Amino acid sequence: GAVVSQHPSRVICKSGTSVKIECRSLDFQATTMFWYRQFPKQSLMLMATSNEGSKATYEQGVEKDKFLINHASLTLSTLTVTSAHPEDSSFYICSASALLRGYTFGSGTRLTVV
Amino acid sequence: AQSVTQLDSQVPVFEEAPVELRCNYSSSVSVYLFWYVQYPNQGLQLLLKYLSGSTLVKGINGFEAEFNKSQTSFHLRKPSVHISDTAEYFCAVTRSVNSGGSNYKLTFGKGTLLTVNP
Repeated sequence: GAVVSQHPSRVICKSGTSVKIECRSLDFQATTMFWYRQFPKQSLMLMATSNEGSKATYEQGVEKDKFLINHASLTLSTLTVTSAHPEDSSFYICSASALLRGYTFGSGTRLTVV
Repeated sequence: AQSVTQLDSQVPVFEEAPVELRCNYSSSVSVYLFWYVQYPNQGLQLLLKYLSGSTLVKGINGFEAEFNKSQTSFHLRKPSVHISDTAEYFCAVTRSVNSGGSNYKLTFGKGTLLTVNP
């Protein structure tokens, strides 16, 4: 079956620094990557959608300069949280999609900004 | 646009009892429907999906769901639950395309916490 690898699983960073989260589709080419944020005991909130080679489309209210998304290849997408602050602490999950494959989710990244 | 309503935020049941987790959706176009399970601090695992064809869909771990277009529902059922089924369950919808995979975003319900007690 389709496998999506997301790294790191946990990261602690200091306020003001940047953190990069990687999402790789291991056995298929992902034409579209989705990035979600999940607060404790809540549902997934879509942050942005990215197609390979194109700029990401951000959902309303998501700061594109703060959450930089790169989808340079069909197997790799990255989310960089720039100048992180404690309020950015959350669980971030990626999802890779391709024709005939549906949606496959990464295992998530727990970001803690101190 | 699509929306999903999961009618129960929490469902406690005893081990070996049957369970139904309810999901209703709203859409002006044809849709695909999904159920995912999330264990603590993990990503989402697909339980089952409805794309087309038979309205009764069987998934992993003994779960099944029935697509009811007239009632716009996609309720998840399991005849006998185990302690290990304790998790958060999410219903999701997206507009349909021909291929089963899509560039369209998934819209999630708020989730139902299933707690199986001994």
